[in-house]
Amino acid sequence: NAGVTQTPKFRVLKTGQSMTLLCAQDMNHEYMYWYRQDPGMGLRLIHYSVGEGTTAKGEVPDGYNVSRLKKQNFLLGLESAAPSQTSVYFCASSYSRGGSESNQPQHFGDGTRLSIL
Amino acid sequence: AQSVSQHNHHVILSEAASLELGCNYSYGGTVNLFWYVQYPGQHLQLLLKYFSGDPLVKGIKGFEAEFIKSKFSFNLRKPSVQWSDTAEYFCAVNQPYSSASKIIFGSGTRLSIRP
Repeated sequence: NAGVTQTPKFRVLKTGQSMTLLCAQDMNHEYMYWYRQDPGMGLRLIHYSVGEGTTAKGEVPDGYNVSRLKKQNFLLGLESAAPSQTSVYFCASSYSRGGSESNQPQHFGDGTRLSIL
Repeated sequence: AQSVSQHNHHVILSEAASLELGCNYSYGGTVNLFWYVQYPGQHLQLLLKYFSGDPLVKGIKGFEAEFIKSKFSFNLRKPSVQWSDTAEYFCAVNQPYSSASKIIFGSGTRLSIRP
């Protein structure tokens, strides 16, 4: 059972470089999320998607873009990396069709540790 | 806006001690509540969840949490901790029937257990 898979696991970038983080889930979940985790700040939602072809901004969306071209994949892009984006990035997915099923918890990937020099 | 407060940033206990981690949320309506655990170097895993019904929720590994609506609290407890409980614990809340099923996380409590 793969669950939620994130690639890469580690990456070092120089300021101004661009890159894309990939998240894939094999649970047929509708909702997918990208978080960043920083010391003392918990997880903060960057962007999320409620279904294929849709995306929305979360709590800290600036400097990031996302795409959900396929239901199983959710990509997070950094167009011009900045040192403030050094963080651990977690992708999550959940099964939800609204109503009471929005109670479903999220399943997390193993994280991507990104350092911007 | 919803928020989740975990006032204890770092808790240090000896093995066999009892544990209680505080969690308070700000939303006044109906909420779903979660506790997640993150072991060193690993991803978040669901420990327990409260949707409705009995406010005392049993989770995995001997953990439990009690939802006290009047106090807007959902504290995590364990009667006797083990060294393997060393991890970071996150309380989270979401609003059912919302359009996005977003979960708001607290800042986390790091638990260190002395062997």
